[in-house]
Amino acid sequence: NAGVTQTPKFQVLKTGQSMTLQCAQDMNHNSMYWYRQDPGMGLRLIYYSASEGTTDKGEVPNGYNVSRLNKREFSLRLESAAPSQTSVYFCASTNVGQGTDTQYFGPGTRLTVL
Amino acid sequence: AQSVTQLGSHVSVSEGALVLLRCNYSSSVPPYLFWYVQYPNQGLQLLLKYTSAATLVKGINGFEAEFKKSETSFHLTKPSAHMSDAAEYFCALLPGNRDDKIIFGKGTRLHILP
Repeated sequence: NAGVTQTPKFQVLKTGQSMTLQCAQDMNHNSMYWYRQDPGMGLRLIYYSASEGTTDKGEVPNGYNVSRLNKREFSLRLESAAPSQTSVYFCASTNVGQGTDTQYFGPGTRLTVL
Repeated sequence: AQSVTQLGSHVSVSEGALVLLRCNYSSSVPPYLFWYVQYPNQGLQLLLKYTSAATLVKGINGFEAEFKKSETSFHLTKPSAHMSDAAEYFCALLPGNRDDKIIFGKGTRLHILP
């Protein structure tokens, strides 16, 4: 099993450009999450999807959109990138309420917006 | 409201000394509690978790944590620090009613002194 995979690993954008971060998991998990990690801020939840076909806002959703394409894939889109979105982005997945509740994380995408 | 507080954003210990990373929580329902570790340029991985069975939980790499309801704490300890323990550690809480959103503390960076 590959676990949780993310693409790309690194990205540099100019202000106003758009991009989509891809995430996929092969563990048959129902719930998937997007976080951003900034120094001194810990992990902040951007959006999550409790199951295929549903998405909900987290703590810092502004400037982002998400798509739960199917059970495996959960993408994060920046429509018009801003320097404040420079961060490391992590995707995670889990099966809530099925005896595990452990979140499995991808390796991260390091995004710089100039 | 649920919250997680990690005391000390940076902790330094000498190699071979006791490691103690502090985590206090607030939760209106019995929580599930986790410690995750993040090595440089990697995603988070689970160290250990408390899910209402034994209050003393043993994890990987010699770490353990004790759930103390009276103190609302879940401190992480390791008897003897190793250079490879240098990383960032995150305490996290999942409300026992499992509303799908795990809450992370802001993290503690552990430095090991030779």
